[in-house]
Amino acid sequence: ETGVTQSPTHLIKTRGQQVTLRCSSQSGHNTVSWYQQALGQGPQFIFQYYREEENGRGNFPPRFSGLQFPNYSSELNVNALELDDSALYLCASSSGGVDTEAFFGQGTRLTVV
Amino acid sequence: AQSVTQLGSHVSVSEGALVLLRCNYSSSVPPYLFWYVQYPNQGLQLLLKYTSAATLVKGINGFEAEFKKSETSFHLTKPSAHMSDAAEYFCAVSEQAGGTSYGKLTFGQGTILTVHP
Repeated sequence: ETGVTQSPTHLIKTRGQQVTLRCSSQSGHNTVSWYQQALGQGPQFIFQYYREEENGRGNFPPRFSGLQFPNYSSELNVNALELDDSALYLCASSSGGVDTEAFFGQGTRLTVV
Repeated sequence: AQSVTQLGSHVSVSEGALVLLRCNYSSSVPPYLFWYVQYPNQGLQLLLKYTSAATLVKGINGFEAEFKKSETSFHLTKPSAHMSDAAEYFCAVSEQAGGTSYGKLTFGQGTILTVHP
């Protein structure tokens, strides 16, 4: 059983650019959630994808968007990068309901300069 | 909306001492509560979860937590700290993300645990 994998592990972008982060969900999981973890903070929910549809969104602007593919892998896209977008981006996959465990990837560290 | 408060951003203990990390939650419905641990440059790993069964929940690595509805608390404890317990710990509450029953997590700010010899 493979775990949740994210790529790339580190990324440096310039303000105003666009970035795409990738996540492969754990085998058998059909739901992927994305979280942003700023330095010294707890992770914050960006959005969730279930069967290729967005299923809930946190308090993030529309320039944060995503996709889920038929194999349940997912992408997070951020347009018009701002300095405050610098953070660790975590992907989590799950297969059950609200009381089940979310399995997290190692994260992508994004630095915007 | 649900929320989580972790009291104490930093906790320092001696090896072998009791570990107590505090978490209080706010929820209008019976909560599903989780504790996750994060080691440096890594993702989050589940320690334990409360899903309305037993109020005392045992997790991995000797950790346990007690759900107290009257105090809206879910504090994490370990009787004897080990050097390998040094990490950041997050308390989280789960609620429905959208139109399905799948959950989204609301995390506390985290508590950094330092264990010194």
